Order: sequence, then structure tokens, then C-alpha cells
Amino acid sequence: DTEVTQTPKHLVMGMTNKKSLKCEQHMGHRAMYWYKQKAKKPPELMFVYSYEKLSINESVPSRFSPECPNSSLLNLHLHALQPEDSALYLCASSQGETNLYGYTFGSGTRLTVV
Amino acid sequence: GENVEQHPSTLSVQEGDSAVIKCTYSDSASNYFPWYKQELGKRPQLIIDIRSNVGEKKDQRIAVTLNKTAKHFSLHITETQPEDSAVYFCAASMEYGNKLVFGAGTILRVKS
Repeated sequence: DTEVTQTPKHLVMGMTNKKSLKCEQHMGHRAMYWYKQKAKKPPELMFVYSYEKLSINESVPSRFSPECPNSSLLNLHLHALQPEDSALYLCASSQGETNLYGYTFGSGTRLTVV
Repeated sequence: GENVEQHPSTLSVQEGDSAVIKCTYSDSASNYFPWYKQELGKRPQLIIDIRSNVGEKKDQRIAVTLNKTAKHFSLHITETQPEDSAVYFCAASMEYGNKLVFGAGTILRVKS
């Protein structure tokens, strides 16, 4: 299995809702990432987990809460989002603390906040 | 931190012509430089990458060159086809630290 799987593919949520995005990989990668991508813009790094520990938080608002239950799973919990948070959320993984084998991206979750 | 600049922001070429996209990076510690192609609504797909111990890499119609001294790298697409139309992102990463920094992207349009 050489894929990063993200669910759901599409999500519409209200500003008072709580929802979660899920990401799964079975490549034995020990680093996992959340990126946010607005239309026609590059992916922006949000969080990095390395060996199930949060290693990078790019000053992301607390309404986004990441969780790494185990080495294969990464969640992003969403609460009280704003319409400007609507974007494509990409999960990625890499082998470990080095970039030796590159990065693998999931297909993303298209989030719309209404 | 690392900063990656990418030019041009849009590029239109005639089918069969070549396309060149250029990126510069700021941190000399970066050693890995991937290029991604992203079609509308889809994930970024790695099309080619290069490491700092190599000056050039080629894969069929796609090539990447790296100039470590000048801190810039370029993507070359020859014999362009309409299906090459997409947004292309360059990126840079240091060996350690788990950070992949993207350029702003280039919209490539191949006219048939």
C-alpha cells in the first residue's frame, strides 16, 4: 500500500459544528502532516507529527486541533470554524525525520464552512 | 526559515514547444527539491525531484536542473502537450526538520 487515504472527500459544515478529518497510511511512515490549500495557492503547512508527537504547529488557530492516535492515523478536529477556513485540507506522510524518501500526499478533503 | 520564490506565475505555450519554470530558495541547508503537478481539485502529484548532490535529472520529457551556488532550480518540459496544462509547484526541504516549503505556483497552459 503506497497511498495516503483521506476521509471524507468533501465536507460541508456550519460554523457551530464539530467535525473531524481523517488520514491513514500503511507505509510505515513515522512523520505525518496537515496542509491547508486555498484555490490557486500553494499548500501551507499546518502541523507535523513525528513519531506520534506534535513537532511543528505553524501558529494555527485553536479551532483546528490535530491528533495522532497511532503511527498510521492522523486526525484533524474542527470546531467553530469560519467561512475563510474553507479550503482543501491535505494530509501527507514521509518516512521519518529526514526527507530521504520524499513525501506522499493524500487526495485531500474539500471543506466548505457555511 | 526557508523561502521559495517561483516564476513565472502563468505561462502559456504552444503545443510542442518547451516550457521552463524557475525557482530560487533561500536556505543553503535545503537539499531536496521536488516538483509537483496539480490538476484542478486533485492532489499535488510528484513529477520529478532532485537532491543537492546532483546537478540535473531527466525523466522522458521532464528535466530538472539545480545550481547550488546560485540557489536556484528549474523545471524543463519539452514537447508540451495539452495534458501538461496544470499548476506546477516547486518546493524545498532540508534533510532534517520535516518542513517542505512550496513556491507560489505556476499556471501552465498548453494551447493546441
